[in-house]
Amino acid sequence: DVKVTQSSRYLVKRTGEKVFLECVQDMDHENMFWYRQDPGLGLRLIYFSYDVKMKEKGDIPEGYSVSREKKERFSLILESASTNQTSMYLCASSFWSGTGANVLTFGAGSRLTVL
Amino acid sequence: AQKITQTQPGMFVQEKEAVTLDCTYDTSDQSYGLFWYKQPSSGEMIFLIYQGSYDEQNATEGRYSLNFQKARKSANLVISASQLGDSAMYFCAPCLDGNNRLAFGKGNQVVVIP
Repeated sequence: DVKVTQSSRYLVKRTGEKVFLECVQDMDHENMFWYRQDPGLGLRLIYFSYDVKMKEKGDIPEGYSVSREKKERFSLILESASTNQTSMYLCASSFWSGTGANVLTFGAGSRLTVL
Repeated sequence: AQKITQTQPGMFVQEKEAVTLDCTYDTSDQSYGLFWYKQPSSGEMIFLIYQGSYDEQNATEGRYSLNFQKARKSANLVISASQLGDSAMYFCAPCLDGNNRLAFGKGNQVVVIP
């Protein structure tokens, strides 16, 4: 089974801190994604990456950056955490199947609270 | 951002009955696929079913089936013979924008009662 592992299940940080959320996948997937999930808003795409060292902005990139130095690892960075970034963060990876389906496999999520 | 609509409020369904979850979306794309995901209370997102743009028959996967009507921009998920473990949030995710990235709806809450 594909495994997508998010390093922290729960984090509590203070306003202004720099926060790193790490995500590792073990199936050589080309694509990796970061979403945030808030009640009533569903999942919103923050950033994604189709290859090492490349990144694309999603729908809500403001206040975030990402890093993909190795194929298996995709990091989400909050340069200066704010209370409105309190949320559940979901990492996912995928590959291009022969049928064109881009099936995402998700990690368990990282619940971040910014005080 | 693409607009995906899942408007049904929390749905209660009797065990062993079927439930239909509605999903509509805005797009001018002609070629796209569509996914449904399940998120139980534990939080993990679980892939359920996919239908490609040119698949002629509606997709089925065990107790899950998709009623995909491209002309109406709608893709309803049908869960047959509901089980208690089907209690979860269900997310519709069309693959729009032509770049194979998924956009998620806000979800439908389903509670199966014995």
